[in-house]
Amino acid sequence: DTGVSQDPRHKITKRGQNVTFRCDPISEHNRLYWYRQTLGQGPEFLTYFQNEAQLEKSRLLSDRFSAERPKGSFSTLEIQRTEQGDSAMYLCASSLEGVETQYFGPGTRLLVL
Amino acid sequence: AQSVTQLDSQVPVFEEAPVELRCNYSSSVSVYLFWYVQYPNQGLQLLLKYLSGSTLVKGINGFEAEFNKSQTSFHLRKPSVHISDTAEYFCAVRKDSNYQLIWGAGTKLIIKP
Repeated sequence: DTGVSQDPRHKITKRGQNVTFRCDPISEHNRLYWYRQTLGQGPEFLTYFQNEAQLEKSRLLSDRFSAERPKGSFSTLEIQRTEQGDSAMYLCASSLEGVETQYFGPGTRLLVL
Repeated sequence: AQSVTQLDSQVPVFEEAPVELRCNYSSSVSVYLFWYVQYPNQGLQLLLKYLSGSTLVKGINGFEAEFNKSQTSFHLRKPSVHISDTAEYFCAVRKDSNYQLIWGAGTKLIIKP
């Protein structure tokens, strides 16, 4: 069991550029979550997948943000036309249906200049 | 709407002393409660969880927490802290209608030698 992995671990980009992050959940987990964490705050929920279906999206997820999980395994989170306010740690977690615990990856730290 | 309040942003404590990190939540329905720890430059790791049953929950690294329904609290305790416990601790509650976690702002545990 290799745990949840995220790639890249760090990303620096210029305002207006697009970025894409990848999350690989624990292999048998059918639920996948994206959260965003800014300095001094707890994580904030962004979106949630059960298998390939995106079942919930936070109002924090503006139309510049899109997430996919095409085959119910890995997921991508894309941010278009990045803004300085998008600078944060983006966390991915996975869980198994019927089990309450979410397991977190190490996160992708985004800095928008 | 559910919310989680961690009353202290930082808790300094001497090594080998006991510690309590406070967490209160607001919810009109039954909830599941979690404590996660985030060591410097690492991802979130589950310390312990309350789902049902005994209100005293034991977790990893000698931590325990007590669920108090009447006070809507879930305080985290350790009888004797070690320098390696230096980290940020997050309390979270599972939203009743889905699997989204609602998080507190975190408490930094600072161990003084």
